[in-house]
Amino acid sequence: QVTLRESGPALVRPTQTLTLTCTFSGFSLSTSGMCVSWVRQPPGKALEWLARIDWDDDKYYSTSLKTRLTISKDTSKNQVVLTMTNMDPVDTATYYCARDFWSGYYTYFDSWGQGTLVTVSS
Amino acid sequence: DIQMTQSPSSLSASVGDRVTITCRASQSISNYLNWYQQIPGKAPKILIYAASSLQSGVPSRFSGSGSGTDFTLAISSLQPEDVATYYCQQSYSIPRTFGQGTKVEIK
Repeated sequence: QVTLRESGPALVRPTQTLTLTCTFSGFSLSTSGMCVSWVRQPPGKALEWLARIDWDDDKYYSTSLKTRLTISKDTSKNQVVLTMTNMDPVDTATYYCARDFWSGYYTYFDSWGQGTLVTVSS
Repeated sequence: DIQMTQSPSSLSASVGDRVTITCRASQSISNYLNWYQQIPGKAPKILIYAASSLQSGVPSRFSGSGSGTDFTLAISSLQPEDVATYYCQQSYSIPRTFGQGTKVEIK
C-alpha cells in the first residue's frame, strides 16, 4: 500500500523560506521509473503543479516558480523535500505531494498525501 | 507551457442525469490527458488516465474520450457521491498543467 504524508510549518512569515517534507511508504525512489511531485492548491482555487524529482535524481520545476523552488530526495529515509524561497501571502495554499505512476508511456498521479495547509502572514 | 481550459466552470444536475465536462488543450497532447475528482476537503483522486482508461476501482459510470486538443469526461448517471470538483491534467510535457476545475452539484 502506497502512502504519502506532508509535513512542515502551518504558518510562514513573508520573505521566509518554506521547507516541506514528503514521507512516503510502499515504494522506493531508487526504483527505476519512480517519481514524486509537489502540487499546491490555494483556498478555493485550482491545482498547480510545482516540481518533480525522479528516481535518477532528474528534477523539473514550474516555469513561473523555478527560481524559488528546490526539490531533493533522501532515498534512505523515503523522503522528498521541497523548499520555496521568498514566501508571499499569495503562496498560501494546501501543498500536496503525489506519486507519479507510469503505465506504459502514460503517467498520472495515482497516490496523494492528505495535504498540508501553509499560511503566509505576518 | 500548455494551457488547459475546462468548461463549464460549474454545473448542477439531477441524480441520474448524464453529465459531460470538456477540457481543451492549447496545443495537441495526443491522448496524454488525465481526469481527477476532488471531493471537498480531500486530496484529488485519479479517475481516468490516457484520456479514456478507467483507473482500477473507479465506477464504470465514469468515462473519458478525446484526442489531440479536445477531451470529455462523462458521468453516465450522476450519483450523490459524485458531488466534487473535477480537473483535467496534461501529461504530454513538463511542466504538468491542470484545468481550472469544474464543480459538479446536485440539483
